[in-house]
This record gives sequence, C-alpha cells and structure tokens, in this order.
Amino acid sequence: SQQGEEDPQALSIQEGENATMNCSYKTSINNLQWYRQNSGRGLVHLILIRSNEREKHSGRLRVTLDTSKKSSSLLITASRAADTASYFCATDSRLRGGNKLVFGAGTILRVKS
Amino acid sequence: DVKVTQSSRYLVKRTGEKVFLECVQDMDHENMFWYRQDPGLGLRLIYFSYDVKMKEKGDIPEGYSVSREKKERFSLILESASTNQTSMYLCASRRGPPSNQPQHFGDGTRLSIL
Repeated sequence: SQQGEEDPQALSIQEGENATMNCSYKTSINNLQWYRQNSGRGLVHLILIRSNEREKHSGRLRVTLDTSKKSSSLLITASRAADTASYFCATDSRLRGGNKLVFGAGTILRVKS
Repeated sequence: DVKVTQSSRYLVKRTGEKVFLECVQDMDHENMFWYRQDPGLGLRLIYFSYDVKMKEKGDIPEGYSVSREKKERFSLILESASTNQTSMYLCASRRGPPSNQPQHFGDGTRLSIL
C-alpha cells in the first residue's frame, strides 16, 4: 500500500523560481527520503531526514519534516532547467529484520528556460 | 560510486513466457529490491532480499519469484508472463544496517508483454 502522497502532481515554473513539493504519509516513520527521477532513468537519492529532525539542507535543496502533521516538503531554490524531473518521497516501514521504503506517486516538475 | 546494472533497458515478450530480469550491483550491498513503476502509482515493491539466499515478499509478489544465489546478483522471474505485467521494472540495492541508508537504483527495464 502506498504511504507517501505528493502534492502537487505536476508543477511548471520558470528558471530561477523556487519549487515546493509536499508529501503526506499515514503511519509513523523512522525517516523520510526524497528521490529524483529523470525521464527514462532510475531514481537518484537526494536527501534523507530522520524522524527526530525538523529541517535539513543540501545545496539548493531544503527539506522539512512535521511528524505531528505527518508531512514533509521539498524546496528547490533558484531552479534550473536541469531540475526538470519527477520527484518522489519515500517513507520507511520497519519490517522483521529490516526496513523497506514506500514511495508516493511523485510530482512532475518542469522548469522552463 | 555505486553502480546497479540491469541487464536490459527494453524487453518484449509474449504472454505465457517465462521472463528473467537480471540485476547486478558492484558495492557489496546486502539488501536488494525489485520494484515495478506504473503511471500514477509510483513504485511498488515486488520482492526484496536482505542477503544471499534470503528473500521476502513485498506488496505485490503475485506472479513473480526471485533468486539471489550470489550477493551481487538479484533476479526477478515472471513465471508465466501476462499483459498486466507490462511495466517499468526497477532494481535497487542498499547497504545493510543501520537502516538509514539510501537505495541506489538501476536505470530500469521497460518490459512489454504482448
């Protein structure tokens, strides 16, 4: 079953603008991860935020996590055409012997130059 | 850099065939995963493996099996392919515990069942 749900489904912005994507989930988590997928390629890990963290930065990326609302957001600042991709949040779900990730349906970001 | 290699980028098979999708990783990762990706549904976990000869069912294992005889290789098998198994298949690997490790993905196999 899917846990993470991204919002919006699609986003189109001009180069230089900021892009914000949101993710909601249903059950308690150990961590939440964001991935990017360029067209026709596999997923690339962007950033991981643990359940006891509220904000994390990596270059032009900023991720926030609100466990009380079971939501996270990914902010890409000063977007570039190369940021055009699908973005997925993934939450981990503890299972016997280890963890697995549950992915949302993704947000398609288009950055126009 | 971790490299996860899937044997085929595109594959066309016929209904009823037995289909093998191969995945190899070069970083000695303990954990490996098979997902399928369909529009609007995101990635859904089919099977995963914590270590050699170990396998666990994911969310949608029906119609699939897996094999992990060597640490670096994880194979997905469609026992009798059906048209509803037409999809993009993604393999991933991850270092074992602790659990806060990212997954590394291959570029996927786009499988069409005719």
